[in-house]
Amino acid sequence: NAGVMQNPRHLVRRRGQEARLRCSPMKGHSHVYWYRQLPEEGLKFMVYLQKENIIDESGMPKERFSAEFPKEGPSILRIQQVVRGDSAAYFCASSLESATNEKLFFGSGTQLSVL
Amino acid sequence: RKEVEQDPGPFNVPEGATVAFNCTYSNSASQSFFWYRQDCRKEPKLLMSVYSSGNEDGRFTAQLNRASQYISLLIRDSKLSDSATYLCVVRGLTNAGKSTFGDGTTLTVKP
Repeated sequence: NAGVMQNPRHLVRRRGQEARLRCSPMKGHSHVYWYRQLPEEGLKFMVYLQKENIIDESGMPKERFSAEFPKEGPSILRIQQVVRGDSAAYFCASSLESATNEKLFFGSGTQLSVL
Repeated sequence: RKEVEQDPGPFNVPEGATVAFNCTYSNSASQSFFWYRQDCRKEPKLLMSVYSSGNEDGRFTAQLNRASQYISLLIRDSKLSDSATYLCVVRGLTNAGKSTFGDGTTLTVKP
């Protein structure tokens, strides 16, 4: 009974390259959330997706960042033309339902380093 | 002002000590409250939900004060394995994932 799976665990990119982060939710979960954690800070909500739909992207930067959760396959967080300020830990979480008291289960995260 | 504020610490306590963390939130419409634990920037793990009536899970007790808009976490008989960063999490009347995390309080329990 695998939990939330994220890959890669570590990703190194040079400025200007693209970064693709993948997240497979827990079995049976259809709600996926992406968070970013900068050094010495808490997690910041980025986007909430269900299959084939973006429900809430109020935390996503307006440019260079996009997310999808296709009918088949993992959710993808895509960062185009990365800059040093994108270096952070990116966590994905999933839940069974979306109610406000629903528990979130987190993946191990992807540590993105931009050189 | 941050939506959720925590004392960053660090709190350095000896084994067996009792330690308490507080967290304040600014949105009076907040509905759900949680404490998460994060070890060395690994994935956060749910420690406990926080209810208005207060709740206890072994050595851990969580309290919610809606009038003053703060929640607390009390750890009794601290163990070395309690060393971690404790994250306060608040949600409003939105979806489960749009949680607001505090920046965390770091606890180090020493022998």
